[in-house]
Amino acid sequence: AQKVTQAQTEISVVEKEDVTLDCVYETRDTTYYLFWYKQPPSGELVFLIRRNSFDEQNEISGRYSWNFQKSTSSFNFTITASQVVDSAVYFCALSEAQAGTALIFGKGTTLSVSS
Amino acid sequence: NAGVTQTPKFQVLKTGQSMTLQCAQDMNHEYMSWYRQDPGMGLRLIHYSVGAGITDQGEVPNGYNVSRSTTEDFPLRLLSAAPSQTSVYFCASRPTGGGYNEQFFGPGTRLTVL
Repeated sequence: AQKVTQAQTEISVVEKEDVTLDCVYETRDTTYYLFWYKQPPSGELVFLIRRNSFDEQNEISGRYSWNFQKSTSSFNFTITASQVVDSAVYFCALSEAQAGTALIFGKGTTLSVSS
Repeated sequence: NAGVTQTPKFQVLKTGQSMTLQCAQDMNHEYMSWYRQDPGMGLRLIHYSVGAGITDQGEVPNGYNVSRSTTEDFPLRLLSAAPSQTSVYFCASRPTGGGYNEQFFGPGTRLTVL
């Protein structure tokens, strides 16, 4: 069965601090996909990144970076030099390969960045 | 492209009332799904559909019905609303195929059941 665990319920940082959001997943499939979504206070869900199980290269996009480690079943998300606009709920999610498979979410981490 | 649209944005119901949450997408996506979001629980899958005429249950299907008569529309029906169904409901769609594809989410419907 699939499962996504985001152990950090809430994180508070001051602007310009770096912050890492943890995500640990469980799946029996060898082919799977991991996602991060952002939910700002306005409520919409914003897609941030997708990573497939065969690509363990870390990815960087501006101040955002993702560290995927199959050995520890983790897909962690780091924000460098955080800003107030980064305040949001962040969800990690997992999907398996076959058609019709569901996207399973973790419970989310609420990030609060203060100035 | 309007993407995924949901109506209404807000709704208040009394216990026992029925209603339908509407969801439509104009991207010709085969796969559509409904999630509910509750504080501290993340998003939980209610029902999903892999194409017109095909639906299946997700993690929390009780109290909800769905049908998929067209590719574009995937309404969610509450037959007899209960306070436990107070939640934010998101509809999502993605192209045909497996879990590789990004899901596109609607703006959500905030439902309160008194």
